[in-house]
Amino acid sequence: AQSVTQLGSHVSVSEGALVLLRCNYSSSVPPYLFWYVQYPNQGLQLLLKYTSAATLVKGINGFEAEFKKSETSFHLTKPSAHMSDAAEYFCAVSPRTDSWGKLQFGAGTQVVVTP
Amino acid sequence: NAGVTQTPKFQVLKTGQSMTLQCAQDMNHEYMSWYRQDPGMGLRLIHYSVGAGITDQGEVPNGYNVSRSTTEDFPLRLLSAAPSQTSVYFCASRGQSEQYFGPGTRLTVT
Repeated sequence: AQSVTQLGSHVSVSEGALVLLRCNYSSSVPPYLFWYVQYPNQGLQLLLKYTSAATLVKGINGFEAEFKKSETSFHLTKPSAHMSDAAEYFCAVSPRTDSWGKLQFGAGTQVVVTP
Repeated sequence: NAGVTQTPKFQVLKTGQSMTLQCAQDMNHEYMSWYRQDPGMGLRLIHYSVGAGITDQGEVPNGYNVSRSTTEDFPLRLLSAAPSQTSVYFCASRGQSEQYFGPGTRLTVT
């Protein structure tokens, strides 16, 4: 069975500072990995995904994530936070045998950006 | 191209009432699914479908029924609502490169 853990339910960052959101997965075989963003009262939007190509994945809005098999991690970063980055972020995994149809989500990290 | 649409946006039910949450997509995707979102728990898969006439259970299927008579529609039925089903419900449709989520239905059961 696989699981996904997001460290920190709330993160506060200053505008212009580094954003780092942590995600670890538990799976015997590296799954597909995703980061989604949810703005207030909206659905989820895909930021980026790791399938099997480059371990450093670039996404939308300046975000990127690095897959580290040895650490079973897929942390999300952005060098400089903007006020518009305030949202909830979800890490998700899907087993490779399922062609990323069934997603298992972490509990989410709420990001607050302060001026 | 509207993507994934869900109706209603908000709903209040009394315990024991039934209702259907509607989901439709116009992208001709075979794979559709329903998730519920609860604070501190992320999204959890309720039911999914790999094509018309084929459905299967996800992580939290109890209290919910689904059917898939067409490629476009994937309704979620609550036969006898319970307060534990108070949640935000998202429908998703899987394309070749990503899953597309609807805007959600916020359901309150009193």
